[in-house]
Amino acid sequence: GESVGLHLPTLSVQEGDNSIINCAYSNSASDYFIWYKQESGKGPQFIIDIRSNMDKRQGQRVTVLLNKTVKHLSLQIAATQPGDSAVYFCAENRVKAAGNKLTFGGGTRVLVKP
Amino acid sequence: DAGVIQSPRHEVTEMGQEVTLRCKPISGHNSLFWYRQTMMRGLELLIYFNNNVPIDDSGMPEDRFSAKMPNASFSTLKIQPSEPRDSAVYFCASSGEDREKLFFGSGTQLSVL
Repeated sequence: GESVGLHLPTLSVQEGDNSIINCAYSNSASDYFIWYKQESGKGPQFIIDIRSNMDKRQGQRVTVLLNKTVKHLSLQIAATQPGDSAVYFCAENRVKAAGNKLTFGGGTRVLVKP
Repeated sequence: DAGVIQSPRHEVTEMGQEVTLRCKPISGHNSLFWYRQTMMRGLELLIYFNNNVPIDDSGMPEDRFSAKMPNASFSTLKIQPSEPRDSAVYFCASSGEDREKLFFGSGTQLSVL
């Protein structure tokens, strides 16, 4: 996952534009990936997930792309809205591993400008 | 469904005091997770249970931390004695049939003075 530090990477986007949030994961054995959205004062909220046998999955206004060759994950948000302002986390898991450990990246803050 | 319910929402305590955080998972979910979130370390898995049994507690920082799940609808995370460095937001999450998809509660903001 992304390095964790005091300052979150921030993406500023104009309302109505598309957003792309990137995530580099570290474990080549990971076979399940998930994006969460966290608004201020709330817990992470599920957005979309993808398994390693896919390279693209679409939801409502969101698309997740997975590139296993370079261990890269991205979340695309179409027509970004003010309500999309939040911190976005990618997380990885190994479905076949004994146990169930979802490991989170450091997060990216998205600020939507009106 | 009300989702994962955590209490209290906020806890302020003095160093050395015992702190107990509570969680009610989503009904029917058989996996429960405790995470800690800080600015420095992000979201860290502390411990998780499957069918009320602790499966992996390797993320529990010290013996001062303990977690229990006496039944399928309740779990506690206890810190005794608490220290200022324990200040963080503690999240509980649960998952069901799709066990990798975690649903999070609103968290407990803990401040140890």
